[in-house]
Amino acid sequence: NAGVMQNPRHLVRRRGQEARLRCSPMKGHSHVYWYRQLPEEGLKFMVYLQKENIIDESGMPKERFSAEFPKEGPSILRIQQVVRGDSAAYFCASSPDRGNPGANVLTFGAGSRLTVL
Amino acid sequence: KNEVEQSPQNLTAQEGEFITINCSYSVGISALHWLQQHPGGGIVSLFMLSSGKKKHGRLIATINIQEKHSSLHITASHPRDSAVYICAVLSNTGNQFYFGTGTSLTVIP
Repeated sequence: NAGVMQNPRHLVRRRGQEARLRCSPMKGHSHVYWYRQLPEEGLKFMVYLQKENIIDESGMPKERFSAEFPKEGPSILRIQQVVRGDSAAYFCASSPDRGNPGANVLTFGAGSRLTVL
Repeated sequence: KNEVEQSPQNLTAQEGEFITINCSYSVGISALHWLQQHPGGGIVSLFMLSSGKKKHGRLIATINIQEKHSSLHITASHPRDSAVYICAVLSNTGNQFYFGTGTSLTVIP
């Protein structure tokens, strides 16, 4: 069981470019969460997704940010026209369905560190 | 107001000291996690609690559901315990997790 896989681990972009961050949840996990950690700050919730559905995106900036979790493949967090303030670590976590054993388990990926020049 | 409050925000201790980090929450929960994040590192779940007390080595976590409070204790602290410790709760009304802002612990040799 490979755990939650995030890639790339490090990404450097220039202002105005697009950043795409990928997250493959643990096998058997159908809930994915994205969090952002700005330098010297705590984790901030961005978005919660299940397969093909966005359940809660209350933490996502209204512009430039989008997330998806397609039926096949990883969840993707997309940041368009990046600015320096987007530089942060982006963590993905996954958990199983409520009815499954270990439903309260939360497993984090190693994070993707975005640097905007 | 944050759903999860941690204290203290920063903590410095001498090696060998007993350490307590506190977490209070305001929502109904299914479970509470204590997470550890080393500088520049990933996030590891130390404990998941829904009642009572758990112990792993020198780490002890307790939770009081009625008082909506949890504590993380570290006995015989060591410099390698230096990290940020984060309290996270899973709401019992959905699959939403709420996080505290973390406690930054530094253990001095």
